Amino acid sequence: DAGITQSPRHKVTETGTPVTLRCHQTENHRYMYWYRQDPGHGLRLIHYSYGVKDTDKGEVSDGYSVSRSKTEDFLLTLESATSSQTSVYFCAISERGDNEQFFGPGTRLTVL
Amino acid sequence: GQQVMQIPQYQHVQEGEDFTTYCNSSTTLSNIQWYKQRPGGHPVFLIQLVKSGEVKKQKRLTFQFGEAKKNSSLHITATQTTDVGTYFCAGLEGNTGKLIFGQGTTLQVKP
Repeated sequence: DAGITQSPRHKVTETGTPVTLRCHQTENHRYMYWYRQDPGHGLRLIHYSYGVKDTDKGEVSDGYSVSRSKTEDFLLTLESATSSQTSVYFCAISERGDNEQFFGPGTRLTVL
Repeated sequence: GQQVMQIPQYQHVQEGEDFTTYCNSSTTLSNIQWYKQRPGGHPVFLIQLVKSGEVKKQKRLTFQFGEAKKNSSLHITATQTTDVGTYFCAGLEGNTGKLIFGQGTTLQVKP
């Protein structure tokens, strides 16, 4: 497996609280992605990054922000968590924008 | 926006039977990728198809990309219990690097 870690792996939080998920890679890949996975929806792209400080929105970006200050780290922040953001979040990396993506182990987030 | 539809959503087969999942896009794709996710695991890349009409094989798995680059299929011959999981197709949106995933097909194999 590619060197991708996500933290935390599990989190339970309350509505209205801020939450930050971290993705760390040791592969020096340029592209990093955040997805959420919900039953019946497959994987949906939240935000992605194509370089340090270079980010763009995906198809479900509302309520989420990201930051990438170093090649190896990509942070996903929920400014004020809502129950609809209960999901499994996956980080992924790729060397270029058009080739295979390697996924991290995922973070299960529950918003009560 | 671009949509990728995948059918069926679920498939139960007897071990040894064949299995096929289909993927259709609303727009022409730059390439299509296939991933497998085991229960409780993360998606793992299987293959990428780029050319119109392309066919690739990996042991018992056969992947096809349609002539119009808007559809694709994954066929597994003689399924085994190790094939259990959810198979996702994902179409690349232009040159943005954004992958649009299908909803996935969950395969159950009865021994």
